[in-house]
Amino acid sequence: NAGVMQNPRHLVRRRGQEARLRCSPMKGHSHVYWYRQLPEEGLKFMVYLQKENIIDESGMPKERFSAEFPKEGPSILRIQQVVRGDSAAYFCASSPIYSETPTYEQYFGPGTRLTVT
Amino acid sequence: RKEVEQDPGPFNVPEGATVAFNCTYSNSASQSFFWYRQDCRKEPKLLMSVYSSGNEDGRFTAQLNRASQYISLLIRDSKLSDSATYLCVRRDGNKLVFGAGTILRVKS
Repeated sequence: NAGVMQNPRHLVRRRGQEARLRCSPMKGHSHVYWYRQLPEEGLKFMVYLQKENIIDESGMPKERFSAEFPKEGPSILRIQQVVRGDSAAYFCASSPIYSETPTYEQYFGPGTRLTVT
Repeated sequence: RKEVEQDPGPFNVPEGATVAFNCTYSNSASQSFFWYRQDCRKEPKLLMSVYSSGNEDGRFTAQLNRASQYISLLIRDSKLSDSATYLCVRRDGNKLVFGAGTILRVKS
């Protein structure tokens, strides 16, 4: 059973370009979460999605960031017009339906390290 | 005040030592807590859930004190492979709230 997959693992973008980060949840998982880890800091929640729905985007910056989880295909985190401050590790996590796991464990992917030059 | 606060360390201990990490949280409504482990430049991995009654998994023991809003992790008989950053985490609805982590370095 493959774990959460993310690609690319490393992404370099120049200031002003767009970054697209992809996440495929574990098989059977329908909930996806994106977290950002800035250098020397803890992980910070960004957004929680289910298929075709954004459930909670309270951690998303108001501008330039968007996320989707289409009916088919991976979840995408999109950052437009990247700036140096966007350089970070972006982790995706997935979980099964809440009622099936009382501890509500989230399984993390290996992350995408974004570097903005 | 941070939602989840941890001593950043680093804790430098010899193999075989017992080491304890503490964590405090600010939201008394929190229901679920976890310890995650993160190796350098890797993803966080669940180490154990934390229950009010305390729970043990091999060399690891976790405790939760709701009155004091305090969580602890005890590692006995430290191994070199325990070197990592330990993240105190609380669940807030559907999202996880992470502490900044405590660095543990176990040396031979």
